[in-house]
Amino acid sequence: QKEVEQNSGPLSVPEGAIASLNCTYSDRGSQSFFWYRQYSGKSPELIMSIYSNGDKEDGRFTAQLNKASQYVSLLIRDSQPSDSATYLCAVITSGTYKYIFGTGTRLKVLA
Amino acid sequence: ETGVTQTPRHLVMGMTNKKSLKCEQHLGHNAMYWYKQSAKKPLELMFVYNFKEQTENNSVPSRFSPECPNSSHLFLHLHTLQPEDSALYLCASSQGMEAFFGQGTRLTVV
Repeated sequence: QKEVEQNSGPLSVPEGAIASLNCTYSDRGSQSFFWYRQYSGKSPELIMSIYSNGDKEDGRFTAQLNKASQYVSLLIRDSQPSDSATYLCAVITSGTYKYIFGTGTRLKVLA
Repeated sequence: ETGVTQTPRHLVMGMTNKKSLKCEQHLGHNAMYWYKQSAKKPLELMFVYNFKEQTENNSVPSRFSPECPNSSHLFLHLHTLQPEDSALYLCASSQGMEAFFGQGTRLTVV
């Protein structure tokens, strides 16, 4: 079983819609969760971090964490063509510095 | 600008060459990482250094040799690489929470 799983996509949404990106993880000891955005040919850029169950909002982005279900998601409201990128989910286990990444979900926002 | 700088940005090397990748962070972080990113694959963790000590070696072939002389600098020494080693090599740093990446080195082995 992969440690961090994401649907590779592409996920296509129309401009102005809500994009919903999902991630599951296998290690119940995972404590910290991150979403990165990666444009083609560029390095990953941190956009959200979440550490406790529930929702965390930052502008158009909302991260949701459910540790019981081992599930973390990212919602992008009012999606823009500039949001088109690959979104990477990352997880670290308490007491380690080991970040494990999913394969990423490619998002296409259609103008 | 993330505060993590990698050089060179692009590198083409022959299979018999020896080269080094350099990473420098200005964030005061204590942990530094090397990741490999190949097409259609997740980011692969290669090495982790915490306070200059290597804490993770993810079964990386010995043709990749890391060096961490201090908490701000990290090197990846390359020798006798194979064409399948062509990839984007990313350096990151963290203080145990959010990790920040450098721009990466696009390596091509010919």
